[in-house]
Amino acid sequence: GDSVTQMEGPVTLSEEAFLTINCTYTATGYPSLFWYVQYPGEGLQLLLKATKADDKGSNKGFEATYRKETTSFHLEKGSVQVSDSAVYFCALSDGSGNTGKLIFGQGTTLQVKP
Amino acid sequence: DTAVSQTPKYLVTQMGNDKSIKCEQNLGHDTMYWYKQDSKKFLKIMFSYNNKELIINETVPNRFSPKSPDKAHLNLHINSLELGDSAVYFCASSYGQGVFGNTIYFGEGSWLTVV
Repeated sequence: GDSVTQMEGPVTLSEEAFLTINCTYTATGYPSLFWYVQYPGEGLQLLLKATKADDKGSNKGFEATYRKETTSFHLEKGSVQVSDSAVYFCALSDGSGNTGKLIFGQGTTLQVKP
Repeated sequence: DTAVSQTPKYLVTQMGNDKSIKCEQNLGHDTMYWYKQDSKKFLKIMFSYNNKELIINETVPNRFSPKSPDKAHLNLHINSLELGDSAVYFCASSYGQGVFGNTIYFGEGSWLTVV
């Protein structure tokens, strides 16, 4: 079945460092790909998405490119801030388009230190 | 205005009790979901409803019973609560079953602790 694999956390960075969180997927059909963020004690918020190959999603300085050839959707940010500390989830939607359910990776915790 | 709202946000209850979590969305979406996040933060879908019709039921115990009185509401009732039910439960909604990349919007979660 479809699945998503993210890099193990926690990822600890200093403020203004470059961030990469790796995400690879296995899917049939043509899934859409998403990054969600969960700040401490809060719910899930959509960070960005891409619906077809080579699309780049971007938001709040974060970006990710849908790479069909490498089945990847890595999250990047050029300069992280303390306020970016959160858990980041990569997800894909059902590629067959019949159910719309999201399949999540295991989440990667990011800690940014001043 | 909150798009997907859940109540209660926190719930502590004893084993064996029956409890409900309510969810409402004001986005005009036709599909609603319940997801469960366990203690390791792993998220998994439980149910989805499209226009009040059950679409997904992911091998969830019969003690969990979703109810959708209309397409703006999806409540989750849990009977005979067990310790293992302790988790964060997220309600979510989207247009058209989330197909073709339609964004699924999540509520803030309901933290359930069974003691």
